[in-house]
Amino acid sequence: GAGVSQSPRYKVAKRGQDVALRCDPISGHVSLFWYQQALGQGPEFLTYFQNEAQLDKSGLPSDRFFAERPEGSVSTLKIQRTQQEDSAVYLCASSLASPGGAETQYFGPGTRLLVL
Amino acid sequence: GNSVTQMEGPVTLSEEAFLTINCTYTATGYPSLFWYVQYPGEGLQLLLKATKADDKGSNKGFEATYRKETTSFHLEKGSVQVSDSAVYFCALGTGTASKLTFGTGTRLQVTL
Repeated sequence: GAGVSQSPRYKVAKRGQDVALRCDPISGHVSLFWYQQALGQGPEFLTYFQNEAQLDKSGLPSDRFFAERPEGSVSTLKIQRTQQEDSAVYLCASSLASPGGAETQYFGPGTRLLVL
Repeated sequence: GNSVTQMEGPVTLSEEAFLTINCTYTATGYPSLFWYVQYPGEGLQLLLKATKADDKGSNKGFEATYRKETTSFHLEKGSVQVSDSAVYFCALGTGTASKLTFGTGTRLQVTL
């Protein structure tokens, strides 16, 4: 079956513009995670969904960042009024298990966002 | 809080050389430990994992042992190939959401 897909793969935005990044997890995966990866760094956790419920948004850097997963499948990460420091690769991952397990997270290819 | 420290790269080795990439961690509770690999132009892929102390994860000739006493999870391979050139990330997962905390990554370059 298909893996995790993300779109767009690349996004160039002008400072102040709003952007929306899409993630299609593996079918049937309960858990969905968003991470932000700055250049030369490891991914950093942003937020987590179990089905449609957003259970942890402790990693969102500001209230300009918003994520949703309304039907428990596709998720969208929205960034309002983008700033240059938002430039990064945004990774989505999904896993089969409910919270508490050590199940493998499967990562998408990422969306590379460049804010000019 | 949780943190992962891994050796800085880049690491440059000749083909068939022995590889070690060091990884140490700080965590509350009992984490699961992971190595992810990112090949050029591709997304993160799980390489191996270990869920409790003294477990050894292995895959594609790579191995790592979960050492609770030294809070380490060093990655090793006996004979690297050019195709192993990639960025390797050590990570841990704890808590109810098992969100991952990553190290900064170590770039491996293998030459003929």
